[in-house]
Amino acid sequence: KQEVTQIPAALSVPEGENLVLNCSFTDSAIYNLQWFRQDPGKGLTSLLLIQSSQREQTSGRLNASLDKSSGRSTLYIAASQPGDSATYLCAVMYAGGTSYGKLTFGQGTILTVHP
Amino acid sequence: DTGVSQDPRHKITKRGQNVTFRCDPISEHNRLYWYRQTLGQGPEFLTYFQNEAQLEKSRLLSDRFSAERPKGSFSTLEIQRTEQGDSAMYLCASSLMETQYFGPGTRLLVL
Repeated sequence: KQEVTQIPAALSVPEGENLVLNCSFTDSAIYNLQWFRQDPGKGLTSLLLIQSSQREQTSGRLNASLDKSSGRSTLYIAASQPGDSATYLCAVMYAGGTSYGKLTFGQGTILTVHP
Repeated sequence: DTGVSQDPRHKITKRGQNVTFRCDPISEHNRLYWYRQTLGQGPEFLTYFQNEAQLEKSRLLSDRFSAERPKGSFSTLEIQRTEQGDSAMYLCASSLMETQYFGPGTRLLVL
């Protein structure tokens, strides 16, 4: 079964800390992996997309890495700020069959950055 | 605001009633997706369209659920004979390439 797992489920850090969110997936045959941010009661905002041929992507204070062979991705947030508080979701587009376009999501990591 | 809009934003209904949700994607996007998200979980895929063709449906989409995308523009998701277990956030997304852009969602509460 193609699944996505995120740990930790929740994380609370003081402002300014660097932090890492983890995502694992069960099948290395993927098209891409995406990280999203979701604020309470809102839709999802795409943060980074890593193609299966890439190892990492960077945007501002965010850096996402991909290791297909081990089925893992990490999202690194540098110098965290209270405005980073949100739920972070990892989503995989698995390859094969008719699954192109379908995203399989993890359950998310709830991040709280306190001043 | 990603440019994907959903209507209504909130819906409260009684068990057994039918409800219909609308999604307007970003205008040039040919792919449109529906997901369902329950509290504390990540979104789960329901179905997706390329232009007007419905290419995949999840087993989560029971016979009570139907989705359409006439003319390859907006899409509707209808739930017939709603059940309390249908209470969730229904999210729509659209894409031209791989990145999916999500709307704000429709939160459904079935009493």
